[in-house]
Amino acid sequence: GIQVEQSPPDLILQEGANSTLRCNFSDSVNNLQWFHQNPWGQLINLFYIPSGTKQNGRLSATTVATERYSLLYISSSQTTDSGVYFCAVESNSNYQLIWGAGTKLIIKP
Amino acid sequence: KAGVTQTPRYLIKTRGQQVTLSCSPISGHRSVSWYQQTPGQGLQFLFEYFSETQRNKGNFPGRFSGRQFSNSRSEMNVSTLELGDSALYLCASSGQGVTVHTEAFFGQGTRLTVV
Repeated sequence: GIQVEQSPPDLILQEGANSTLRCNFSDSVNNLQWFHQNPWGQLINLFYIPSGTKQNGRLSATTVATERYSLLYISSSQTTDSGVYFCAVESNSNYQLIWGAGTKLIIKP
Repeated sequence: KAGVTQTPRYLIKTRGQQVTLSCSPISGHRSVSWYQQTPGQGLQFLFEYFSETQRNKGNFPGRFSGRQFSNSRSEMNVSTLELGDSALYLCASSGQGVTVHTEAFFGQGTRLTVV
């Protein structure tokens, strides 16, 4: 089955810094989503991005489907950006979302 | 448009008991997926229901079961609870495009503690 790898596993930054999170996947996929899980466990949709580039405020994402990776950019980090960022892809063979292990981001004030 | 609603939010049960969790998807969404997340871990896929049929199933024992009703609301049941079943249970709903799912949205989860 499809393998999804996220890097780095952990990231600690000062407030105001920029960061890039990466998601690699091993096969072609139907779609890709980025989520942020806050400290209370809520999974928040960031981007639904099977290909191309999208921006939403300080966050942007790029998926290069032909090269099987996606990047999530966070600029001018705030403490509220802390949490775990997950990438999930939908398999072509069934409708199951395959999840990466996540990147745990800690933003220090 | 209302989001995904999971009830209850918190639950404490005793080993050996059974529990039923509920998930109401976004209106118009017919796919409901369930996940288990233990502390510090990623999401483990339990099962997915689409139009009242289980379409996919993860690698969980038969104690974990689910169903979906005609209004797309879904329930999952865990029988003979074990301490290791303590976890955050998340439900996601998504629509169905021509060949793929549309964007998946999650509920706030049910935090189950087994004592």
